[in-house]
Amino acid sequence: AQKITQTQPGMFVQEKEAVTLDCTYDTSDQSYGLFWYKQPSSGEMIFLIYQGSYDEQNATEGRYSLNFQKARKSANLVISASQLGDSAMYFCAMREGSHTGTASKLTFGTGTRLQVTL
Amino acid sequence: DSGVTQTPKHLITATGQRVTLRCSPRSGDLSVYWYQQSLDQGLQFLIHYYNGEERAKGNILERFSAQQFPDLHSELNLSSLELGDSALYFCASSVGTMNEKLFFGSGTQLSVL
Repeated sequence: AQKITQTQPGMFVQEKEAVTLDCTYDTSDQSYGLFWYKQPSSGEMIFLIYQGSYDEQNATEGRYSLNFQKARKSANLVISASQLGDSAMYFCAMREGSHTGTASKLTFGTGTRLQVTL
Repeated sequence: DSGVTQTPKHLITATGQRVTLRCSPRSGDLSVYWYQQSLDQGLQFLIHYYNGEERAKGNILERFSAQQFPDLHSELNLSSLELGDSALYFCASSVGTMNEKLFFGSGTQLSVL
């Protein structure tokens, strides 16, 4: 079974609009972390936002917020006021099993390619 | 700039050859992770080192090996290269083993011809 599912291979959004990128995850652990990374065409992986499974508040980092719905096992990324520079590939990832010492491993989804248009 | 340095940026080599990829973590980070990104496999965790010791292994082939040196830089050695090893290889670092943020380098694009 997929641990991280990103069902949107591609998304378009107009500049200045908000966009939601979907991510669902599968884990039986109680303690886990959820991440979003941005990969522009230049190739680097840029950390955007993190949500811990015990965090009660949704994480926010500037224009990025994470809509964390634990019961639904979803961790959607919301980008507000989209900019042309937001055009990139976006990856959702999960770190699980911190109590087992395997916290180091991130499992990534297949990514969503976001295109911001004028 | 994440502070994680990877060299070289691009590497072109032939099948059967051996290459070494180098990673310098962010200042103060003790953990180094290696990931492989390919079109068919996506992003795959290879291996994790913490303060010189191997901590976790993922989908790393036996032809591949890694180490972390006392100055905390890490090297990923890929030998008997095959066409299918062509990929983008990322190094990431974090302060410890449980830190929530992993910062990635810009990657080494390996092309095996």
